[in-house]
Amino acid sequence: EPEVTQTPSHQVTQMGQEVILRCVPISNHLYFYWYRQILGQKVEFLVSFYNNEISEKSEIFDDQFSVERPDGSNFTLKIRSTKLEDSAMYFCASIGTGGGQPQHFGDGTRLSIL
Amino acid sequence: QKEVEQDPGPLSVPEGAIVSLNCTYSNSAFQYFMWYRQYSRKGPELLMYTYSSGNKEDGRFTAQVDKSSKYISLFIRDSQPSDSATYLCAMSDGLTGGGNKLTFGTGTQLKVEL
Repeated sequence: EPEVTQTPSHQVTQMGQEVILRCVPISNHLYFYWYRQILGQKVEFLVSFYNNEISEKSEIFDDQFSVERPDGSNFTLKIRSTKLEDSAMYFCASIGTGGGQPQHFGDGTRLSIL
Repeated sequence: QKEVEQDPGPLSVPEGAIVSLNCTYSNSAFQYFMWYRQYSRKGPELLMYTYSSGNKEDGRFTAQVDKSSKYISLFIRDSQPSDSATYLCAMSDGLTGGGNKLTFGTGTQLKVEL
């Protein structure tokens, strides 16, 4: 079965540094998402991306965050200047069509900010 | 009031028991409902997906949605130790975020004991 793959599985970064989290969505999927899960808390929506632009973002997704689909297979989340509170699991998800279909998630990147 | 409420547990049951997991929600616009299973340090894995009110069965799993009460349930029959995980309910209105933005509950931690 096709999978969403995320790299790296664990990223350790100094506070203030830039970090890029990478995702390869399922081939032929058109909608892409990033979610965050702080340890012990619920999974939270960050951003949705369709047709090479952001379709919606949450209040968490401030100017320090950006997303990009640099080629036909990768989908990236960049945090420009990391803060301690950015430490969390970051999950990428993708789906082929809109309208409430269930999303398929990767296994996440654990981001640790020191 | 939280948009989606879910008892975090932990819930401990003996092997073979019937497990009932529940979520309540406040947003009447939600019409797509999912249950995900999440093992430690892994991404959410889709278990069940339902649209609007009604029941859906898949093997040992049954999902129920009661939109009039804003209440959804997941039943696991003949529970196995391998079912031990955190179960997340998630829902969407089919419109925001490309139609697929998910709002999650906090998750219920389930342990099935031998």
